Amino acid sequence: GAVVSQHPSWVICKSGTSVKIECRSLDFQATTMFWYRQFPKQSLMLMATSNEGSKATYEQGVEKDKFLINHASLTLSTLTVTSAHPEDSSFYICSAKQGAWETQYFGPGTRLLVL
Amino acid sequence: QQPVQSPQAVILREGEDAVINCSSSKALYSVHWYRQKHGEAPVFLMILLKGGEQKGHEKISASFNEKKQQSSLYLTASQLSYSGTYFCGTEWENYGQNFVFGPGTRLSVLP
Repeated sequence: GAVVSQHPSWVICKSGTSVKIECRSLDFQATTMFWYRQFPKQSLMLMATSNEGSKATYEQGVEKDKFLINHASLTLSTLTVTSAHPEDSSFYICSAKQGAWETQYFGPGTRLLVL
Repeated sequence: QQPVQSPQAVILREGEDAVINCSSSKALYSVHWYRQKHGEAPVFLMILLKGGEQKGHEKISASFNEKKQQSSLYLTASQLSYSGTYFCGTEWENYGQNFVFGPGTRLSVLP
């Protein structure tokens, strides 16, 4: 099956620092990658959609200057949380899919704790 | 617009059956079902495409009624491992890559 990895699994950082999260599709080329955020006991909320080689499309209410997304290749997308604050603490999950009408495969998620 | 899931939560004894529903106010192209265990990422269960599909995997099956714009997930003879939160994700017609998760249904299977 399709495998998506994320790195790191856990991040604890001080307020004001930037954190980079990597998402890789290991055994397929992902035309599209998605970044989600999930708060405890809530559903996954889509933050942005990124296609390889083009700018990410952000959902309403998500600050593009704060959450920088780079989709440099068909197997790698990165999310950088700039100047992180405690309210950015959350579970960040990426997903990837091969084609427009295919399902998404999720990475294992990254827990971010900003102190 | 987020799809609606019902029930919000359900508690079962091992061996009992459950049905989780997912409905949308917009015409759907596909419905995807996922299960998420606490602290983990969602795991794909199955995808149903418009055309009134039914699919099954072991004791978990699902149906998609495009006229009613809803899908149902059926869990039969539930096992302890079925515990988790079940999310449906919907893609609307003509919206291609847009994908919205429902709020989730928390399922607890007790011995």
